[in-house]
Amino acid sequence: QKEVEQNSGPLSVPEGAIASLNCTYSDRGSQSFFWYRQYSGKSPELIMSIYSNGDKEDGRFTAQLNKASQYVSLLIRDSQPSDSATYLCAVMTGGGNKLTFGTGTQLKVEL
Amino acid sequence: SQTIHQWPATLVQPVGSPLSLECTVEGTSNPNLYWYRQAAGRGLQLLFYSVGIGQISSEVPQNLSASRPQDRQFILSSKKLLLSDSGFYLCAWTPETETYGYTFGSGTRLTVV
Repeated sequence: QKEVEQNSGPLSVPEGAIASLNCTYSDRGSQSFFWYRQYSGKSPELIMSIYSNGDKEDGRFTAQLNKASQYVSLLIRDSQPSDSATYLCAVMTGGGNKLTFGTGTQLKVEL
Repeated sequence: SQTIHQWPATLVQPVGSPLSLECTVEGTSNPNLYWYRQAAGRGLQLLFYSVGIGQISSEVPQNLSASRPQDRQFILSSKKLLLSDSGFYLCAWTPETETYGYTFGSGTRLTVV
């Protein structure tokens, strides 16, 4: 079983819709969770972090964490074509300050 | 403010040649430093991390090595490149004692021919 799993997509949504990206993880002791956005050919950019159960909102982005279900999600409201990218879920696992990444979900926002 | 620099941006090297990629961080001290590789269509694989000068931990045994000769400098090396070493190499840093997410450098795209 992979430590951090994501659906590779592509996930296609129309402009203005809500995009929902999901991630599951295997280490129940994980405490810190992150979402990165990666445009094609570029390095990942941190967009959200979440540390406790529930929702965390930042602009059009909402991160959701459910530790009991070992599930993290990212909602993007009012999706824009500029949101088209690969979104990487990352979990701090195994003690120490090391991040384990999922393989990413490709999001396409269509006009 | 803190910045991370990584170079070169692209590199084409023949099989069997040596490799040296450099990463430096400015505006902080004693950062945790990381080298990741992203192969085409695959996820990010942690190669090495360092919590201080001369302290290197290897995550994946292979023909690569890392060194940290100065507090804010992290170098990835190979004596002889393999075709399978091709990929996008990313350096990242975090503050020493905080569990924030990483900040990545701009990456080096390595093609071994």
